[in-house]
Amino acid sequence: DIQLTQSPSSLSASVGDRVTITCRASQSISSYLNWYQQKPEKAPKLLIFAASSLHSGVPSRFSGSGSGTDFTLTISSLQPEDFATYYCQQSYSTPITFGGGSKVEIK
Amino acid sequence: QVQLQESGPGLVKPSQTLSLTCTVSGGSINSGRYYWTWIRQHPGKGLEWIGYISYSGSTFYSPSLRSRLTISVDTSKNQFTLKLSSVTAADTAVYYCARVGAVNSYYHMDVWGQGTPVTVSS
Repeated sequence: DIQLTQSPSSLSASVGDRVTITCRASQSISSYLNWYQQKPEKAPKLLIFAASSLHSGVPSRFSGSGSGTDFTLTISSLQPEDFATYYCQQSYSTPITFGGGSKVEIK
Repeated sequence: QVQLQESGPGLVKPSQTLSLTCTVSGGSINSGRYYWTWIRQHPGKGLEWIGYISYSGSTFYSPSLRSRLTISVDTSKNQFTLKLSSVTAADTAVYYCARVGAVNSYYHMDVWGQGTPVTVSS
């Protein structure tokens, strides 16, 4: 199975901050990496697919980069509605796996 | 737009079979463009992939659940179903269904149901 390690597991940030979350895969997964946002008691929402493609309707302050084993999700200017937990997920091979999550909290 | 809705009992007794249905509305489950998947989330934990199915019935299961798992599709009802046998307290979780779309073979879960909590307890 491909393991995905996210860091940090949690962070505190202020509105307007630039936030970066990383996801490292245990083997190369090319660009088969997706990012999701989950708010408490809600279903996850797709933000980024194929490492860097913005899903329809997602604000442009979200961006993704990387390939191979190292990936990054960046929020260029954190907004109040962005406080949530973010997960990476690989679609390179089954079993599909998710990272452990990165919780973005208000400073 | 396409919407997914999970349904099923919220309480299952240990050793019994958990059965959940995901109803797809606003689009056809018959579209060959998509797979249909189940994900679960244990209380306070991360996301765990359970398995997925194509409209034609091809399935891919998590190895850790394969021996207890059946996912099926009913195209006439626009539904797909999860059955997990011999459940224990470790199967207590929120269960989500989702659609798996693809762009240039890059698969991603682009539409999710709201999730349904399932507790395994006597």
